[in-house]
Amino acid sequence: EIVLTQSPDFQSVTPKEKVTITCRASQSIGSTLHWYQQKPDQSPKLLIKYASQSISGVPSRFSGSGSGTDFTLTINSLEAEDAATYYCHQSSTLPYTFGQGTKLEIK
Amino acid sequence: EVQLVQSGAEVKKPGESLKISCKGSGYSFTSYWIGWVRQMSGKGLEWMGIIYPGDSDTRYSPSFQGQVTISADKSISTAYLQWSSLKASDTAMYYCATLLCGGDCYLSAYFQYWGQGTLVTVSS
Repeated sequence: EIVLTQSPDFQSVTPKEKVTITCRASQSIGSTLHWYQQKPDQSPKLLIKYASQSISGVPSRFSGSGSGTDFTLTINSLEAEDAATYYCHQSSTLPYTFGQGTKLEIK
Repeated sequence: EVQLVQSGAEVKKPGESLKISCKGSGYSFTSYWIGWVRQMSGKGLEWMGIIYPGDSDTRYSPSFQGQVTISADKSISTAYLQWSSLKASDTAMYYCATLLCGGDCYLSAYFQYWGQGTLVTVSS
C-alpha cells in the first residue's frame, strides 16, 4: 500500500497569504496524484487532477506541482472561503490511498 | 449535470444489516466506475472500493474486503454499500463518488463528482 504523508497537519493563515501544502508518497506514483478540498459539513471537492492540471470552476489561485514522490498544492492570495481540510489522493495503485489531511484555519 | 444522490441517514443497532444507496444521473451510469469512501467523525478519507456497473466488476480495499459488499443495479442507475452485521466501529459518514472513466482507467483516475454523504450511526 502506498502511504501519502501530508504536511503540515494544521496551519493558521491570514487572508492574502500564500499557502503551500506538501504530499509525499512512499513510492513513485508518477503524476497520478489528485487534490481535494473539504469544507466543514460538505462533501470533498476535486481541486487539482494529475498533480498539476486545473479543474473547471476552481479558482486560479489553486495550483499543483510535482511528480514521482513529492507534490505540492499552492494557494495564492488565500481567501476566507478557503478555510477547509485539503487531501491528496493517489490512484497509481490499488488500494487507493489518501493523505491524512491538512486543515487550514483562517485568522 | 452529473448528480449522485445518496440515501438518508441511518441509525442501527450492532448486529443489524444495512444497505445504503447512491443514485447517479446526468451521465452514462453503466460506463463509469463508482466508488465508496468512509469518513469517521473528525477523521480523514478512507477508500473502501469501486464497482463498474456495466459488468459489476468490483475492487475492494484490503481494509474493507469481507466487511462490506459493494453492488450496483444498472437498471436504476444505483450503487449500493451493504453490511450484514454492523458494528459500532462502522459509525461514520459514507460518500459515493464517480471516477467518470471506464475500463482500466481506474489505475490513474480521480473522483470527479461526489454524493452528499450518508451518515450511519451504530449504537445499542
